[in-house]
Amino acid sequence: DTAVSQTPKYLVTQMGNDKSIKCEQNLGHDTMYWYKQDSKKFLKIMFSYNNKELIINETVPNRFSPKSPDKAHLNLHINSLELGDSAVYFCASSQGGGPGKAFFGQGTRLTVV
Amino acid sequence: DQQVKQNSPSLSVQEGRISILNCDYTNSMFDYFLWYKKYPAEGPTFLISISSIKDKNEDGRFTVFLNKSAKHLSLHIVPSQPGDSAVYFCAASDNNAGNMLTFGGGTRLMVKP
Repeated sequence: DTAVSQTPKYLVTQMGNDKSIKCEQNLGHDTMYWYKQDSKKFLKIMFSYNNKELIINETVPNRFSPKSPDKAHLNLHINSLELGDSAVYFCASSQGGGPGKAFFGQGTRLTVV
Repeated sequence: DQQVKQNSPSLSVQEGRISILNCDYTNSMFDYFLWYKKYPAEGPTFLISISSIKDKNEDGRFTVFLNKSAKHLSLHIVPSQPGDSAVYFCAASDNNAGNMLTFGGGTRLMVKP
C-alpha cells in the first residue's frame, strides 16, 4: 500500500477554474503538509496542518486553502486558477511532536492553460 | 531569500567512486537536517538525517556530515552506484517552527557505469 497517495497525478485546467487535489496517508501521522515545486525545481512549503494548528506560509495566496476532513486526509483547494499556479504539488506527512522525516506523495502536476 | 542552498546544480562521478554533495544554510535556528532523493515523476524519498547536536551520521553507503560553525553539511555516498543517479535535496527544519522543511534547490547526481 502507498503510504502517501495523491490524486490526480496530472491535472490540466483552464484559467479561472476551481480545482482540488486530494491527499491521503495511511501512516497514522498527525501532521500533513503541502509543498509546491515550481518551474525552477524549488520545493517550498505551503501549509503545515495537524488537528490543532494550521500554519500557512505567508507567501501563499489566499486562493489556496487546505481542507482536512479527518486526520488521514488533507486536500488542497485552489480557486480562480492562474497561469503561475502551474507546478508540481506534493503532499507529505510526518509524526509530530518533534523533528522527523516527512513522507511524500508522488506529486500532482498541475498545468493551467 | 534562500535559507538553504545547494550551489552545485549537477555532479557527475564514476561508479565505485565517492560522491560528495554539499549544502549551506543561513538560519541558525535550524536544528535538524535531512537529505532526500528524488527520481523523475516521483516524490522525494527520505535518505538520511542528522540532528544539530551531532556532526556525523552514517547509514550504509551514506554519511552526512554537519559543520555547525560553518553552517554547512555534506552527503557522502561511497561507493557510488548507477542507481544512485537522481536529484538530491538538502532540507532543514526548526523545531520551533512546526518542523516544516526548507529545501535547497537540489543537485542532480549522475553516476556513470
